[in-house]
Amino acid sequence: GAVVSQHPSRVICKSGTSVKIECRSLDFQATTMFWYRQFPKQSLMLMATSNEGSKATYEQGVEKDKFLINHASLTLSTLTVTSAHPEDSSFYICSAREDRADSPLHFGNGTRLTVT
Amino acid sequence: GDSVTQMEGPVTLSEEAFLTINCTYTATGYPSLFWYVQYPGEGLQLLLKATKADDKGSNKGFEATYRKETTSFHLEKGSVQVSDSAVYFCALRKRAAGNKLTFGGGTRVLVKP
Repeated sequence: GAVVSQHPSRVICKSGTSVKIECRSLDFQATTMFWYRQFPKQSLMLMATSNEGSKATYEQGVEKDKFLINHASLTLSTLTVTSAHPEDSSFYICSAREDRADSPLHFGNGTRLTVT
Repeated sequence: GDSVTQMEGPVTLSEEAFLTINCTYTATGYPSLFWYVQYPGEGLQLLLKATKADDKGSNKGFEATYRKETTSFHLEKGSVQVSDSAVYFCALRKRAAGNKLTFGGGTRVLVKP
């Protein structure tokens, strides 16, 4: 079945540095991918919708310049957390939908980001 | 706007017990409804879905029926196993909203042997 690969699964970085998280659809094309953030013991918060070949659509309250999204191909979207701070520590999850009507969303396994 | 409300956890059960997780939604139009499961340290996996009123989704012994009259999509399983311990998320999706998923707060389920 369809698989979404997210890398890395865990990353620890120092304050002020940037971290890139990759989300790949392995056996299908995805014009649209979604990036979520999950706080401990809480639900998923949609951060942005990533659109291949165009700018991402950010949800209200999400800083575009801090969370850079690039969707350069039909199988790859990246989220870069720029100038990371400890409050950016979280679990980030991507999802992708096959380019056909009523297709389900497939989720990656998530990336645990810890900023020290 | 659209929203999903599900019962707060944690829900602690013994093996072979009956599980119910309540989920209600508020949405205009005709959303599709989903249950996702998240095992520790992992992303979300689709458990089951229903796309129209009175549809019943089922998978791995879990069931949920789309009840438009009560705007509910309660998840049930007749006999849980330790391996069912996870966090369960109810969600809705509308084409008019760009197919974005709106999640409930999640319910943690712990099944003890």
